[in-house]
Amino acid sequence: SAVISQKPSRDICQRGTSLTIQCQVDSQVTMMFWYRQQPGQSLTLIATANQGSEATYESGFVIDKFPISRPNLTFSTLTVSNLSPEDSSIYLCSVNNRDSLNTEAFFGQGTRLTVV
Amino acid sequence: AQSVTQPDIHITVSEGASLELRCNYSYGATPYLFWYVQSPGQGLQLLLKYFSGDTLVQGIKGFEAEFKRSQSSFNLRKPSVHWSDAAEYFCAVVGPADYKLSFGAGTTVTVRA
Repeated sequence: SAVISQKPSRDICQRGTSLTIQCQVDSQVTMMFWYRQQPGQSLTLIATANQGSEATYESGFVIDKFPISRPNLTFSTLTVSNLSPEDSSIYLCSVNNRDSLNTEAFFGQGTRLTVV
Repeated sequence: AQSVTQPDIHITVSEGASLELRCNYSYGATPYLFWYVQSPGQGLQLLLKYFSGDTLVQGIKGFEAEFKRSQSSFNLRKPSVHWSDAAEYFCAVVGPADYKLSFGAGTTVTVRA
Protein backbone atom coordinates (compact mmCIF):
# COMPACT_ATOMS: atom_id res chain seq x y z
CA SER A 1 0.00 0.00 0.00
CA ALA A 2 0.96 3.66 -0.29
CA VAL A 3 0.59 6.34 2.33
CA ILE A 4 -0.15 9.77 0.93
CA SER A 5 0.33 13.01 2.80
CA GLN A 6 -1.51 15.94 1.33
CA LYS A 7 -1.04 19.50 2.51
CA PRO A 8 -2.77 21.71 3.41
CA SER A 9 -5.83 19.83 4.59
CA ARG A 10 -7.94 22.93 4.15
CA ASP A 11 -7.57 26.58 3.30
CA ILE A 12 -9.62 29.68 2.79
CA CYS A 13 -8.31 31.92 0.02
CA GLN A 14 -9.20 35.27 -1.45
CA ARG A 15 -10.40 35.38 -5.02
CA GLY A 16 -7.66 36.18 -7.48
CA THR A 17 -4.97 34.47 -5.44
CA SER A 18 -3.50 30.99 -5.92
CA LEU A 19 -3.18 27.91 -3.76
CA THR A 20 -0.53 25.24 -4.11
CA ILE A 21 -1.31 21.78 -2.79
CA GLN A 22 1.42 19.28 -2.04
CA CYS A 23 1.22 15.52 -2.31
CA GLN A 24 3.94 13.37 -0.78
CA VAL A 25 3.97 9.58 -1.09
CA ASP A 26 5.93 7.26 1.16
CA SER A 27 7.20 5.19 -1.77
CA GLN A 28 7.95 5.58 -5.44
CA VAL A 29 4.83 5.26 -7.53
CA THR A 30 4.21 4.91 -11.22
CA MET A 31 1.25 7.17 -11.67
CA MET A 32 0.02 10.21 -9.80
CA PHE A 33 -3.26 11.97 -10.42
CA TRP A 34 -5.15 15.02 -9.26
CA TYR A 35 -8.92 14.97 -8.82
CA ARG A 36 -11.47 17.63 -8.00
CA GLN A 37 -14.61 16.98 -6.01
CA GLN A 38 -17.03 19.86 -6.17
CA PRO A 39 -19.58 20.18 -3.35
CA GLY A 40 -21.98 17.27 -3.39
CA GLN A 41 -20.41 15.84 -6.53
CA SER A 42 -18.31 12.89 -7.54
CA LEU A 43 -14.63 12.97 -8.38
CA THR A 44 -13.45 14.42 -11.65
CA LEU A 45 -9.96 13.80 -12.93
CA ILE A 46 -8.03 17.01 -13.53
CA ALA A 47 -4.76 15.62 -14.84
CA THR A 48 -2.11 12.95 -14.71
CA ALA A 49 1.13 14.22 -13.17
CA ASN A 50 4.03 12.95 -15.25
CA GLN A 51 7.46 12.69 -13.73
CA GLY A 52 9.91 14.90 -15.55
CA SER A 53 7.48 16.18 -18.16
CA GLU A 54 4.34 18.24 -18.54
CA ALA A 55 1.15 16.93 -16.99
CA THR A 56 -1.59 15.42 -19.14
CA TYR A 57 -4.83 17.33 -18.68
CA GLU A 58 -8.36 16.09 -19.07
CA SER A 59 -10.93 17.86 -21.16
CA GLY A 60 -12.01 21.09 -19.52
CA PHE A 61 -8.82 21.59 -17.52
CA VAL A 62 -5.86 23.67 -18.67
CA ILE A 63 -2.32 24.15 -17.51
CA ASP A 64 -2.65 27.89 -16.97
CA LYS A 65 -5.38 27.33 -14.41
CA PHE A 66 -4.04 24.13 -12.85
CA PRO A 67 -0.24 24.00 -13.18
CA ILE A 68 1.19 20.73 -11.92
CA SER A 69 4.70 19.72 -11.03
CA ARG A 70 6.14 16.28 -10.45
CA PRO A 71 9.87 16.51 -9.88
CA ASN A 72 10.28 12.90 -8.76
CA LEU A 73 8.40 9.65 -8.20
CA THR A 74 7.19 10.52 -4.70
CA PHE A 75 6.07 14.14 -4.90
CA SER A 76 3.71 16.36 -6.85
CA THR A 77 2.09 19.75 -6.50
CA LEU A 78 -1.12 21.16 -7.91
CA THR A 79 -1.64 24.90 -8.05
CA VAL A 80 -5.09 26.35 -8.50
CA SER A 81 -4.56 29.78 -10.01
CA ASN A 82 -6.58 32.97 -10.15
CA LEU A 83 -9.09 31.63 -7.70
CA SER A 84 -12.80 32.24 -7.99
CA PRO A 85 -15.64 30.96 -5.77
CA GLU A 86 -16.33 28.26 -8.38
CA ASP A 87 -12.97 26.72 -7.46
CA SER A 88 -14.23 25.92 -3.99
CA SER A 89 -13.87 22.14 -3.92
CA ILE A 90 -11.99 19.28 -2.42
CA TYR A 91 -8.82 18.46 -4.33
CA LEU A 92 -7.43 14.95 -4.00
CA CYS A 93 -4.13 13.42 -4.91
CA SER A 94 -4.16 9.81 -6.01
CA VAL A 95 -1.46 7.30 -6.81
CA ASN A 96 -1.57 4.02 -8.67
CA ASN A 97 1.04 1.35 -8.80
CA ARG A 98 0.32 -1.27 -11.36
CA ASP A 99 2.12 -4.51 -11.86
CA SER A 100 1.21 -7.46 -13.99
CA LEU A 101 -1.29 -8.80 -11.51
CA ASN A 102 -2.69 -5.96 -9.56
CA THR A 103 -3.66 -2.37 -9.56
CA GLU A 104 -4.99 -0.19 -6.83
CA ALA A 105 -5.47 3.52 -6.45
CA PHE A 106 -4.77 5.23 -3.15
CA PHE A 107 -5.99 8.66 -2.18
CA GLY A 108 -4.79 11.43 0.04
CA GLN A 109 -7.11 12.93 2.60
CA GLY A 110 -7.86 15.81 0.30
CA THR A 111 -7.55 19.57 0.49
CA ARG A 112 -10.75 21.47 1.14
CA LEU A 113 -10.51 24.84 -0.58
CA THR A 114 -12.92 27.64 0.09
CA VAL A 115 -12.63 30.78 -2.02
CA VAL A 116 -14.12 33.95 -0.62
CA ALA B 1 -15.54 5.52 -23.23
CA GLN B 2 -16.03 3.91 -19.88
CA SER B 3 -18.77 5.12 -17.57
CA VAL B 4 -20.22 4.23 -14.21
CA THR B 5 -23.80 4.63 -13.06
CA GLN B 6 -24.97 4.59 -9.48
CA PRO B 7 -28.74 4.80 -9.77
CA ASP B 8 -29.40 5.60 -6.12
CA ILE B 9 -28.43 9.08 -5.00
CA HIS B 10 -29.46 8.59 -1.40
CA ILE B 11 -30.39 5.53 0.65
CA THR B 12 -31.66 5.51 4.21
CA VAL B 13 -31.41 2.28 6.15
CA SER B 14 -32.07 1.30 9.73
CA GLU B 15 -29.18 0.19 11.88
CA GLY B 16 -28.92 -3.58 11.74
CA ALA B 17 -30.72 -3.82 8.42
CA SER B 18 -29.12 -4.99 5.22
CA LEU B 19 -27.75 -2.62 2.61
CA GLU B 20 -27.28 -2.94 -1.12
CA LEU B 21 -25.80 -0.24 -3.33
CA ARG B 22 -26.11 -0.58 -7.07
CA CYS B 23 -23.40 0.04 -9.62
CA ASN B 24 -23.57 -0.47 -13.38
CA TYR B 25 -20.71 0.12 -15.74
CA SER B 26 -20.21 0.55 -19.42
CA TYR B 27 -16.96 -0.67 -20.89
CA GLY B 28 -15.82 -2.58 -23.95
CA ALA B 29 -14.27 -5.38 -21.94
CA THR B 30 -14.31 -6.35 -18.30
CA PRO B 31 -12.75 -3.50 -16.37
CA TYR B 32 -11.26 -3.51 -12.95
CA LEU B 33 -13.95 -2.52 -10.45
CA PHE B 34 -13.72 -0.79 -7.11
CA TRP B 35 -15.87 0.47 -4.28
CA TYR B 36 -14.65 3.39 -2.18
CA VAL B 37 -16.14 4.97 0.91
CA GLN B 38 -15.80 8.60 1.90
CA SER B 39 -16.78 9.54 5.42
CA PRO B 40 -17.59 13.18 6.15
CA GLY B 41 -14.47 15.30 5.90
CA GLN B 42 -12.32 12.32 4.97
CA GLY B 43 -10.52 11.05 1.91
CA LEU B 44 -11.43 7.93 0.02
CA GLN B 45 -10.90 4.48 1.48
CA LEU B 46 -10.93 1.38 -0.66
CA LEU B 47 -13.57 -1.14 0.47
CA LEU B 48 -12.92 -3.83 -2.11
CA LYS B 49 -11.87 -4.49 -5.68
CA TYR B 50 -12.46 -6.98 -8.46
CA PHE B 51 -9.95 -7.87 -11.14
CA SER B 52 -10.78 -11.45 -12.10
CA GLY B 53 -11.65 -14.83 -10.64
CA ASP B 54 -14.31 -15.35 -8.01
CA THR B 55 -17.14 -12.97 -8.76
CA LEU B 56 -18.02 -12.50 -5.10
CA VAL B 57 -15.38 -10.40 -3.41
CA GLN B 58 -15.01 -9.68 0.26
CA GLY B 59 -13.86 -6.33 1.52
CA ILE B 60 -13.21 -4.50 4.71
CA LYS B 61 -15.81 -3.51 7.30
CA GLY B 62 -18.01 -6.48 6.46
CA PHE B 63 -18.77 -5.40 2.89
CA GLU B 64 -18.94 -7.65 -0.12
CA ALA B 65 -19.66 -7.10 -3.79
CA GLU B 66 -20.72 -9.35 -6.61
CA PHE B 67 -19.62 -8.92 -10.20
CA LYS B 68 -22.24 -9.93 -12.75
CA ARG B 69 -20.92 -9.76 -16.25
CA SER B 70 -24.31 -10.38 -17.88
CA GLN B 71 -25.74 -7.34 -16.11
CA SER B 72 -22.60 -5.19 -16.18
CA SER B 73 -23.08 -4.71 -12.48
CA PHE B 74 -20.96 -4.66 -9.37
CA ASN B 75 -23.34 -4.18 -6.46
CA LEU B 76 -22.12 -3.63 -2.93
CA ARG B 77 -23.78 -5.33 0.02
CA LYS B 78 -23.59 -5.49 3.77
CA PRO B 79 -25.80 -7.83 5.81
CA SER B 80 -26.13 -5.58 8.85
CA VAL B 81 -25.24 -1.91 8.82
CA HIS B 82 -23.77 0.01 11.70
CA TRP B 83 -24.24 3.71 12.39
CA SER B 84 -20.60 4.23 11.39
CA ASP B 85 -21.44 3.09 7.84
CA ALA B 86 -23.14 6.42 7.19
CA ALA B 87 -21.00 7.87 4.41
CA GLU B 88 -20.72 8.47 0.69
CA TYR B 89 -20.00 5.41 -1.43
CA PHE B 90 -18.41 5.53 -4.84
CA CYS B 91 -18.14 2.84 -7.47
CA ALA B 92 -15.21 3.20 -9.84
CA VAL B 93 -13.80 1.43 -12.88
CA VAL B 94 -10.53 1.40 -14.74
CA GLY B 95 -9.61 -0.38 -17.91
CA PRO B 96 -7.03 -3.18 -17.76
CA ALA B 97 -4.69 -1.12 -19.91
CA ASP B 98 -5.41 2.19 -18.24
CA TYR B 99 -4.71 3.90 -14.95
CA LYS B 100 -7.39 6.55 -14.77
CA LEU B 101 -10.38 5.79 -12.60
CA SER B 102 -13.87 6.77 -13.65
CA PHE B 103 -16.21 7.32 -10.74
CA GLY B 104 -19.92 7.03 -10.38
CA ALA B 105 -21.89 9.92 -8.96
CA GLY B 106 -21.92 8.37 -5.52
CA THR B 107 -24.60 7.13 -3.14
CA THR B 108 -25.13 8.79 0.22
CA VAL B 109 -26.05 6.33 2.94
CA THR B 110 -27.88 7.53 6.02
CA VAL B 111 -28.28 5.15 8.94
CA ARG B 112 -31.16 5.73 11.30
CA ALA B 113 -31.29 4.35 14.82
